[in-house]
Amino acid sequence: EVQLVESGGGLVQPGGSLRLSCAASEFTYSNYWMSWVRQAPGKGLEWVANIKQDGSEKYYVDSVKGRFTISRDNIKNSLSLQMNSLRAEDTAVYYCARVEASQGVFDVWGQGTMVTVSS
Amino acid sequence: SYELTQPPSVSVSPGQTANITCSGDKLGDKYAWWYQQKPGQSPVLVIYQDTKRPSGIPERFSGSNSGNTATLTISGTQAMDEADYYCQTWDSSTVIFGGGTKLTVL
Repeated sequence: EVQLVESGGGLVQPGGSLRLSCAASEFTYSNYWMSWVRQAPGKGLEWVANIKQDGSEKYYVDSVKGRFTISRDNIKNSLSLQMNSLRAEDTAVYYCARVEASQGVFDVWGQGTMVTVSS
Repeated sequence: SYELTQPPSVSVSPGQTANITCSGDKLGDKYAWWYQQKPGQSPVLVIYQDTKRPSGIPERFSGSNSGNTATLTISGTQAMDEADYYCQTWDSSTVIFGGGTKLTVL
């Protein structure tokens, strides 16, 4: 079964750092763009970042530029999100999602990992 | 920056048709995608590229996109369709989601 499993969420103080990971299985990971999407408690979906198959292109929502870094390891079939200078407004469930580029869709989603930024 | 606007809520009686709109500047010149999200679950794609339905999605789900508005239509709405629905599009290589619409079936 095609699967994405996130990990690394938790409680962090404002200004702190956290690294999220996403393990992919049962598909040829290196063939796909990958993304992070987040959802603040009781709020809607917000796209965070995309990364191309070979990691050569990365795109971010304006609110995280300069603070978050998306990366991938095509040997380990993993996706990461390094989050620095965290703010209260970064509190959310973070989803890892696969992008089916020909259709432009997020066709596979993980179960999400919760990040809470609070003192 | 590009924005998508959805009504916060839509109500429909069982068996009736629900229309959920998504508005954006010249949205009809882009593709629209729709996701369903039930409480505590990850989103699920229900419509892609305006009108296409993924395998496994019931035929009662359909979509359209013209002018400034994309519409998700659920015909013969069932209680199981009660959920939040999000439209989405691409703006260059970035992704835009609408604010979401809570569909209530009552």
